[in-house]
Amino acid sequence: AQSVSQHNHHVILSEAASLELGCNYSYGGTVNLFWYVQYPGQHLQLLLKYFSGDPLVKGIKGFEAEFIKSKFSFNLRKPSVQWSDTAEYFCAVNGGASKLTFGTGTRLQVTL
Amino acid sequence: AAGVIQSPRHLIKEKRETATLKCYPIPRHDTVYWYQQGPGQDPQFLISFYEKMQSDKGSIPDRFSAQQFSDYHSELNMSSLELGDSALYFCASSLAASGSWEQYFGPGTRLTVT
Repeated sequence: AQSVSQHNHHVILSEAASLELGCNYSYGGTVNLFWYVQYPGQHLQLLLKYFSGDPLVKGIKGFEAEFIKSKFSFNLRKPSVQWSDTAEYFCAVNGGASKLTFGTGTRLQVTL
Repeated sequence: AAGVIQSPRHLIKEKRETATLKCYPIPRHDTVYWYQQGPGQDPQFLISFYEKMQSDKGSIPDRFSAQQFSDYHSELNMSSLELGDSALYFCASSLAASGSWEQYFGPGTRLTVT
């Protein structure tokens, strides 16, 4: 069965600090990887996705993620966070046109 | 661009009542997914439909049923509601033929059972 593990449950950073959120997955087959962001009271928005090709993917709002197949990881990074990045971040995985399996989420709090 | 539409956005029901949640996928999308997100939880997959046929089933209670109609919209029917059913219910849609496997999420329906 597929699973996703997010190690950081709650992260507090000051504005302009660098961010890295960990994501490891377990999946028996070709995998598609996603990072979603959920602002308070809002729906899930796609930050970035990896299907194939260049393992370093760039998404919206200055976020990027690196797929490391040997480590089964897809960590999310941002060089300089802003207060508006305060949100919940979910890593997710699926195989083709199938259900998404989400990690438990990381709550990011950016302080001024 | 058109997005996934869900209605209603908020719903308050009492225990043992029934509820119907509706999802209108992005035009031309042929696959619909339903997820349940409890307070402080990650979204959990309930059920999905491809071309009006159930394609996968997750942790959906027997009290719940769903279907996808000829116009591709989907409805999630919930009966004998329990307090634990209070959650945010997301619908997502995708186009299987596109090969992008990306799911687009709707704004969700917040169900409160009292």
